[in-house]
Amino acid sequence: GAVVSQHPSRVICKSGTSVKIECRSLDFQATTMFWYRQFPKQSLMLMATSNEGSKATYEQGVEKDKFLINHASLTLSTLTVTSAHPEDSSFYICSARWLDRGPDTQYFGPGTRLTVL
Amino acid sequence: LAKTTQPISMDSYEGQEVNITCSHNNIATNDYITWYQQFPSQGPRFIIQGYKTKVTNEVASLFIPADRKSSTLSLPRVSLSDTAVYYCLVGDIRINKFYFGSGTKLNVKP
Repeated sequence: GAVVSQHPSRVICKSGTSVKIECRSLDFQATTMFWYRQFPKQSLMLMATSNEGSKATYEQGVEKDKFLINHASLTLSTLTVTSAHPEDSSFYICSARWLDRGPDTQYFGPGTRLTVL
Repeated sequence: LAKTTQPISMDSYEGQEVNITCSHNNIATNDYITWYQQFPSQGPRFIIQGYKTKVTNEVASLFIPADRKSSTLSLPRVSLSDTAVYYCLVGDIRINKFYFGSGTKLNVKP
């Protein structure tokens, strides 16, 4: 149980294009999902909290117009990096909170490697 | 928000017990302590979670003293495949307030 998937696992795009990353909880319903960014040899940095049916809450310094988050259902959240630039190249990881099973914690997806040329 | 401090790296040998300590002096009353393991280019994997005293599961033990200002992850008899980065996370996910530490890179040698 507690499987979270991400798609795609790897994406390479040209500067100026938009990229959508999907995060799915496969065997449980997640009212809350989190989006992280991780640069090489660094810890995870929380970008935003995504709640089903409502607007995402962004951390300080994260541009909400650049990183669009949609949590349309209890099993799917998407992150769209708009007008991507090389500095957006990073490892993006989502996690989902499973309320019905103890402990109350978050389960992570496998991550998406974004490379912007 | 309770910030955490972990050693940057640790070395060990196969078969040894490894203890990784995380300091969280400003832990709040409702905060839980959770440990994750991360391999390169993968998402973190849940290891163990606790609130106080000792918690044990099939892969690890978590020791938390009475003042809860620190916690120790104990990995029994590590193998080469345990080489990874271990993160201590402190917070209350119920209110979406938590802090990921900088992680400890564990290197297990043969």
